[in-house]
Amino acid sequence: DAGITQSPRHKVTETGTPVTLRCHQTENHRYMYWYRQDPGHGLRLIHYSYGVKDTDKGEVSDGYSVSRSKTEDFLLTLESATSSQTSVYFCAITRGLSGNTIYFGEGSWLTVV
Amino acid sequence: KNEVEQSPQNLTAQEGEFITINCSYSVGISALHWLQQHPGGGIVSLFMLSSGKKKHGRLIATINIQEKHSSLHITASHPRDSAVYICAVQYNFGNEKLTFGTGTRLTIIP
Repeated sequence: DAGITQSPRHKVTETGTPVTLRCHQTENHRYMYWYRQDPGHGLRLIHYSYGVKDTDKGEVSDGYSVSRSKTEDFLLTLESATSSQTSVYFCAITRGLSGNTIYFGEGSWLTVV
Repeated sequence: KNEVEQSPQNLTAQEGEFITINCSYSVGISALHWLQQHPGGGIVSLFMLSSGKKKHGRLIATINIQEKHSSLHITASHPRDSAVYICAVQYNFGNEKLTFGTGTRLTIIP
């Protein structure tokens, strides 16, 4: 199994509060991704990173920001959580540009009340 | 409309049956991934295909680039195969972004 961990695994927070999810990898993979998974939708890309300090938006980036100050850590921040951001969040990593196996973290269940 | 369509959405079968899950996509791709998600949420990669066929144990994945279609087969199915199977496509090798199907929930009854 790829060394990829997410924290926290479960969180309940109130509307309007900031929330940060952490993804940590020990594989030295260049690419890191944050997805959200909701019923009736496939996994949807929020943001991704292609190197330290290099990030870009995905298809559902509104309300989210990310940071990558070290190769091994990719943080996802909800600046002011809303109920629509209740979801399961998955971090993933890939080695490089050409077709590569994708490895996922175990998921973070976030409930915004 | 999701650009990756999987069928069926749900499948229940008896242990030992041969299982087929289908994935269709709308535009040309460079690679297709099959993933497995067990209850509890963890997602693991089963296959990555750009052409032809791959086999791993009882799992077989095929892809027809011209028809824009892939199938995942499970031979001699077992209750431990019960999971959600997700197809994802990669549109070009210069961009790792994947587009995911909504998954097929497979239940194997002993």
